[in-house]
Amino acid sequence: GQNIDQPTEMTATEGAIVQINCTYQTSGFNGLFWYQQHAGEAPTFLSYNVLDGLEEKGRFSSFLSRSKGYSYLLLKELQMKDSASYLCAVSPRGGSYIPTFGRGTSLIVHP
Amino acid sequence: DTAVSQTPKYLVTQMGNDKSIKCEQNLGHDTMYWYKQDSKKFLKIMFSYNNKELIINETVPNRFSPKSPDKAHLNLHINSLELGDSAVYFCASSPDRTGSRGYTFGSGTRLTVV
Repeated sequence: GQNIDQPTEMTATEGAIVQINCTYQTSGFNGLFWYQQHAGEAPTFLSYNVLDGLEEKGRFSSFLSRSKGYSYLLLKELQMKDSASYLCAVSPRGGSYIPTFGRGTSLIVHP
Repeated sequence: DTAVSQTPKYLVTQMGNDKSIKCEQNLGHDTMYWYKQDSKKFLKIMFSYNNKELIINETVPNRFSPKSPDKAHLNLHINSLELGDSAVYFCASSPDRTGSRGYTFGSGTRLTVV
């Protein structure tokens, strides 16, 4: 089985940097996703990490440490539109590949 | 527009009724999914189809029956609706069954059973 843990809520100021952590326990690991979900909308794909290290994509970066069962999503130069829920999801090795989603971290960006 | 489109967006119905939610993707993806997002915001997989074949059927009451007439469509039929079925149902697709290039989600169907 899989167990995913991420903070329920975070607040940050416009223009700042915020790091959203995700820890996971899984019997087999294939990759880790981050999705963004605005209230009342569909989740949208942000990143997929398979190997250890940091992957940067514009203002968003995602880090993975497989040995520690740990990932974070780093958001730079925060904007008001970044207020959303950020979902961490882990895909198991082999079999279905269907990711298990965490409950999401609600990020509130203040002016 | 290339997308995953699902209808209806909102569905309010009485307990005991039967209802269907339709989903279509024009992205040319091989794999489609139904997810349920409850009031606590957990996204849980219900079903997955790859090229019209069922590959995942999680522990879901058999009142829920998916149907995939072709790889671009995955519909969800629910019999004898119960109060606990109230949730947002998301259809999604991915290029292949690994999902490694990410899922594209539909805009969701908010089902309310009264």
